[in-house]
Amino acid sequence: SQTIHQWPATLVQPVGSPLSLECTVEGTSNPNLYWYRQAAGRGLQLLFYSVGIGQISSEVPQNLSASRPQDRQFILSSKKLLLSDSGFYLCAWRAGGNSPLHFGNGTRLTVT
Amino acid sequence: AQKVTQAQTEISVVEKEDVTLDCVYETRDTTYYLFWYKQPPSGELVFLIRRNSFDEQNEISGRYSWNFQKSTSSFNFTITASQVVDSAVYFCALSGLGGSEKLVFGKGTKLTVNP
Repeated sequence: SQTIHQWPATLVQPVGSPLSLECTVEGTSNPNLYWYRQAAGRGLQLLFYSVGIGQISSEVPQNLSASRPQDRQFILSSKKLLLSDSGFYLCAWRAGGNSPLHFGNGTRLTVT
Repeated sequence: AQKVTQAQTEISVVEKEDVTLDCVYETRDTTYYLFWYKQPPSGELVFLIRRNSFDEQNEISGRYSWNFQKSTSSFNFTITASQVVDSAVYFCALSGLGGSEKLVFGKGTKLTVNP
């Protein structure tokens, strides 16, 4: 069966520090991968998605970036965090087509 | 452009009441898929159901049921005899076949079931 791992679960970082959140999927090949952010207002904002290695689509211009160095690995990064980057970050995968998205447990990021 | 509207931001009910969560969508695609997700207080998003645009049959799964009506572009979710464990934020989402791999989510409805 497929599983998705996302870490860390919580993170407190100072403004201006770098960020690296990692997500890996097991039990499937060539998944579509996604990073979402959920701010305090509850809505889900799509940040990046990837349909293959090295292929990244950005939905919202900001100081975050994403990379997909391996088929089942998706990384969210920032060189310098802003206070507004605080939120709940969710990684997700789907098999393609219109299959359901399956989410990781999320990372709660607080930028101080 | 695709859009999902969940007009109810918060709903509060007493245990054992029935509750319906509304979802209205907009799309130009003739083939599309609709989803519901549950986000309990722990934070993870749990997939509940997927429907395609050609299947308008209502679906029931235990205390959960879904009413898909293309004529009104709605995909409503009803919980019968609600329980405290149903307290969560519920998201409706839409995926089309316009070449995009994205799911478009509504803003969610926070359901609180009080004992």
